[in-house]
Amino acid sequence: KAGVTQTPRYLIKTRGQQVTLSCSPISGHRSVSWYQQTPGQGLQFLFEYFSETQRNKGNFPGRFSGRQFSNSRSEMNVSTLELGDSALYLCASSPDSGTSGTDTQYFGPGTRLTVL
Amino acid sequence: AQTVTQSQPEMSVQEAETVTLSCTYDTSENNYYLFWYKQPPSRQMILVIRQEAYKQQNATENRFSVNFQKAAKSFSLKISDSQLGDTAMYFCAFMKRGSGYALNFGKGTSLLVTP
Repeated sequence: KAGVTQTPRYLIKTRGQQVTLSCSPISGHRSVSWYQQTPGQGLQFLFEYFSETQRNKGNFPGRFSGRQFSNSRSEMNVSTLELGDSALYLCASSPDSGTSGTDTQYFGPGTRLTVL
Repeated sequence: AQTVTQSQPEMSVQEAETVTLSCTYDTSENNYYLFWYKQPPSRQMILVIRQEAYKQQNATENRFSVNFQKAAKSFSLKISDSQLGDTAMYFCAFMKRGSGYALNFGKGTSLLVTP
C-alpha cells in the first residue's frame, strides 16, 4: 500500500503570494491532519479534516486554510505569504476506524516551503 | 490547553548502550494518548511507541519502552541496545482521546548514537 504523499516536495515563493499544498492519504484513510514544523516554534498542529469537514483547528491565523475532497485528498492554502511561513509542512493520515486515537497516524515526507 | 515539555535538547549515547529521554506534560484531561515519534535526517516522522493513559502497563516495542507515570505527568522513553540508526530527533506528543487526530508535540530531543 502506498504511503502518504505530498506535493510538491519543495516550493519557493515570495512574500505576498499564495500557495497550495496537496496531501494524498493512504488508501482507505479518512482523517488528514496538517502540521507546521519550524526551527523556532517546533511542530505545531494546523488543522484536521475528516469526511470533508474540519474537525479540529490549531491556533493559526485565517491566512491558513484547508479542505478535504470526497476521496480524502486534502489541500492546504496559505494566502499573503510572510517570511515566517517558511517551514516544513507535514501531512498525516489515519484510518479513524471509529474511536479516535486508536489508529496510528502515518506521516508524509513533507513539503518544504521557502518564502523570500 | 496541553503543554508537552522535553527538557533535554540534545543527548548522546554509545552504540549498544541504553538511553532515556524525558518528557513531561500538563493537562486537565483524563483520557488521552501519549506518543514518541522519531524524525531521522530524512525528515520522515515515524511512530516509535504509543501509550493509552487508561492503561497502567507501560508500552513496549522491541528495544523501545516507556515509563508512564500518570500522576506525575511523566512519559519517558528508554532505548535499549542503541543502534546507529536510532540517531534522530525524538518528539513526545499528546493527544486527547475521542476528539480526532490533533497531536500536541514537545520541542524534541536530538539523539546522537556514536560508534
